[in-house]
Amino acid sequence: QKEVEQDPGPLSVPEGAIVSLNCTYSNSAFQYFMWYRQYSRKGPELLMYTYSSGNKEDGRFTAQVDKSSKYISLFIRDSQPSDSATYLCAAGNSGNTPLVFGKGTRLSVIA
Amino acid sequence: DAGVIQSPRHEVTEMGQEVTLRCKPISGHDYLFWYRQTMMRGLELLIYFNNNVPIDDSGMPEDRFSAKMPNASFSTLKIQPSEPRDSAVYFCASSLGFRDGVYGYTFGSGTRLTVV
Repeated sequence: QKEVEQDPGPLSVPEGAIVSLNCTYSNSAFQYFMWYRQYSRKGPELLMYTYSSGNKEDGRFTAQVDKSSKYISLFIRDSQPSDSATYLCAAGNSGNTPLVFGKGTRLSVIA
Repeated sequence: DAGVIQSPRHEVTEMGQEVTLRCKPISGHDYLFWYRQTMMRGLELLIYFNNNVPIDDSGMPEDRFSAKMPNASFSTLKIQPSEPRDSAVYFCASSLGFRDGVYGYTFGSGTRLTVV
């Protein structure tokens, strides 16, 4: 079992929909949780970062971590065609060990 | 800053040939990572360096793979001899490490390797 599991999709939604992307993890030592967005033919770029449990909001994006259930979520409100990308979750337990990435979920927002 | 720079962007080579991928990290970043991405396996960590020193190469699939970081501004990933199953997108990423609780990685645009 991989330490971070993510449904690869693909996920297709109409423009304006609320999107929910999810990951689970198995390592209780993980404290840092991130979401990366990867456009086609590009490298992943950091989208959101959270520490421990709780929510973090940035514009239309909300990242949520529930450490009790080892569940990581990313919500996108009022989704736009420009949000079409692959979204990768990642987790880490200190600054000296590499992040562990999920496989990524491919999202398409249809105009 | 120009970000993490990788070259070449695309590489097509014949089985058995040597392939060298190059990476220039962001100046001041003291961590450098090499990843391989495929549809089946996602992003796989191959090796990472801290202050030019290899820390963990347990993700390197075989002895055919080697990586070096001769200085803080340059790293190479070499495959010799290459095989068709090495076809993938190879990413280099750099990071400041732990800074005030945030240590996101900055990825390059990747090298798309095709071995025929």
